[in-house]
Amino acid sequence: DVKVTQSSRYLVKRTGEKVFLECVQDMDHENMFWYRQDPGLGLRLIYFSYDVKMKEKGDIPEGYSVSREKKERFSLILESASTNQTSMYLCASSPPGRPLNYGYTFGSGTRLTVV
Amino acid sequence: EDKVVQSPLSLVVHEGDTVTLNCSYEVTNFRSLLWYKQEKKAPTFLFMLTSSGIEKKSGRLSSILDKKELFSILNITATQTGDSAIYLCALLGGNEKLTFGTGTRLTIIP
Repeated sequence: DVKVTQSSRYLVKRTGEKVFLECVQDMDHENMFWYRQDPGLGLRLIYFSYDVKMKEKGDIPEGYSVSREKKERFSLILESASTNQTSMYLCASSPPGRPLNYGYTFGSGTRLTVV
Repeated sequence: EDKVVQSPLSLVVHEGDTVTLNCSYEVTNFRSLLWYKQEKKAPTFLFMLTSSGIEKKSGRLSSILDKKELFSILNITATQTGDSAIYLCALLGGNEKLTFGTGTRLTIIP
């Protein structure tokens, strides 16, 4: 089974801190994605990557950056955390081309609270 | 820009009832429509639909796609408390990105 692992389940950070959210997948997938999920807004795409050292902005990239130095790892960085970045963050991966019959594989999520 | 709208936003029914969840969409380059179930953690895959009119079925859950009218429905019959979850509809476009709707929060009362 494909596994997508997010390093922290719950995280509390202070306003202004630099925050790193880590995501690792073990199935050699090319595509990786970061979403945030908020009540009433659903899942919104922050950044995605189709390959190592490659990144593309999603729908809401402001205040975030990403790093993909190795194929299996995709990091989301909050340069200076703010309270409006309090959210559930979900990482996902998929193989390239037409996905398999199950679309993306998601990690369990990181619930980030910025105080 | 691809768009997915789900309705209702929330639904509360009694155990044993049948529910229908709706998903309408706008897309430039349609590849497939997916349904996920999300309980407390990661969304888990339910169905992927690519062709109109072909029902996908898994136990008490079924789903169908209408590419002419641009919508999909997810049916759950004989609901159980374990069906309580957020149900997410997502659109896969030509750029391999999934665009999600806001989800429908389903609550089953025993």
